Amino acid sequence: DQQVKQNSPSLSVQEGRISILNCDYTNSMFDYFLWYKKYPAEGPTFLISISSIKDKNEDGRFTVFLNKSAKHLSLHIVPSQPGDSAVYFCAAIPISGGGADGLTFGKGTHLIIQP
Amino acid sequence: EAGVTQFPSHSVIEKGQTVTLRCDPISGHDNLYWYRRVMGKEIKFLLHFVKESKQDESGMPNNRFLAERTGGTYSTLKVQPAELEDSGVYFCASSQYRGYTTQYFGPGTRLLVL
Repeated sequence: DQQVKQNSPSLSVQEGRISILNCDYTNSMFDYFLWYKKYPAEGPTFLISISSIKDKNEDGRFTVFLNKSAKHLSLHIVPSQPGDSAVYFCAAIPISGGGADGLTFGKGTHLIIQP
Repeated sequence: EAGVTQFPSHSVIEKGQTVTLRCDPISGHDNLYWYRRVMGKEIKFLLHFVKESKQDESGMPNNRFLAERTGGTYSTLKVQPAELEDSGVYFCASSQYRGYTTQYFGPGTRLLVL
């Protein structure tokens, strides 16, 4: 049973527009969430994170929103640039519950930025 | 500062053979993690070291997998004997602290078992 779900396998966005990537989770013990970006043949690269005490975290063009009641988070990229084309993974971890330190990942969303 | 490094980048072996993967974490990072991604599936956690101690190995698939981190520096992951379903990409990650911190990933080792 997947505890972190990214229901869109791919997303195509025009350069300069906003990209919105979505992630849902089922485990209410998750309280720290991370987004990673991955290019082919490379490892995941950390982008941005958010803890459950916040509902928004911003870093440059990247903003992550967390809706705990809906168990939903989203990553906004604005404006989208060609170099943003990659696979984006949502990951979660239960920190305060004293759970394991391993990240639970979604299957990823392939973002394609079109010129 | 060097990132997480993994060796080899690719490995092709036959079923029944042994393969050893190596991970060098970022210098000073006490926490080291192994993950695996099999084709079409999500990245899955295998185990976590704090220094040389196994903190959590709940994700290890079976006893054909053995991870070590002698001296608390680099780590090895041995698969013996390898089976077809072990094929995938094995990632290593490290972090300085536990808790609300970032895990930094290496480039991965692509393992193909024929």
